[in-house]
Amino acid sequence: SSELTQDPAVSVALGQTVRITCQGDSLRSHYASWYQQKPGQAPKLVIYGNDRRPSGIPDRFSGSSSGNTASLTITGSQAEDEADYYCNSRDSSATHVVFGGGTKLTVL
Amino acid sequence: QVQLQESGPGLLKPSETLSLTCTVSGGSISSYYWSWIRQPPGKGLEWIGFIYFTGTTDYNPSLKSRVTISVDTSKNQFSLKLSSVTAADTAEYYCASAMAGRAEFLNHWGQGTLVTVSS
Repeated sequence: SSELTQDPAVSVALGQTVRITCQGDSLRSHYASWYQQKPGQAPKLVIYGNDRRPSGIPDRFSGSSSGNTASLTITGSQAEDEADYYCNSRDSSATHVVFGGGTKLTVL
Repeated sequence: QVQLQESGPGLLKPSETLSLTCTVSGGSISSYYWSWIRQPPGKGLEWIGFIYFTGTTDYNPSLKSRVTISVDTSKNQFSLKLSSVTAADTAEYYCASAMAGRAEFLNHWGQGTLVTVSS
């Protein structure tokens, strides 16, 4: 089982805002990153260092972290945002990398 | 722009050793962290391990006894070996590079290669 916990599925209406969360004790002291994965594709980094966006990622994607919970927020969801989203960070030992179980986002 | 490409056999028998290579182009392997991640069909991502360009490695504790990651700077490649495979090792295997000196900031990924373990 993962040390990072995500809701298995979340849905959002087109154009609305959705928040996807990731919980784990290690998030109190380590950065969270977020990845988007569409069917048949490799994951793509959309947020790193809790709240930093790589170049080329739309600004409707934002990240935050507080306590043991990191969040990915999509403001004004688009149909193309429908995908699986994974968080990652370090584990409680601070040495190993760990992924959350993933959240399937459906845009209605 | 860094690009990564996985290569290796797609079909293995139980007890064999999985060997994959990731070729890096558009950048030097003599920097950053280089990782392997896998994803069983229909399931989530699992970090396998990383190697730093200095040769320092770290592995997922659940796989550590079977995994070796190495780097060949002369070929700009890094490799994964996973011994004694079983059907549970059937997965899409990805190589990835990390940014900003953090092994977990995986900003470039290969397209992935499917490895099936079957007798």
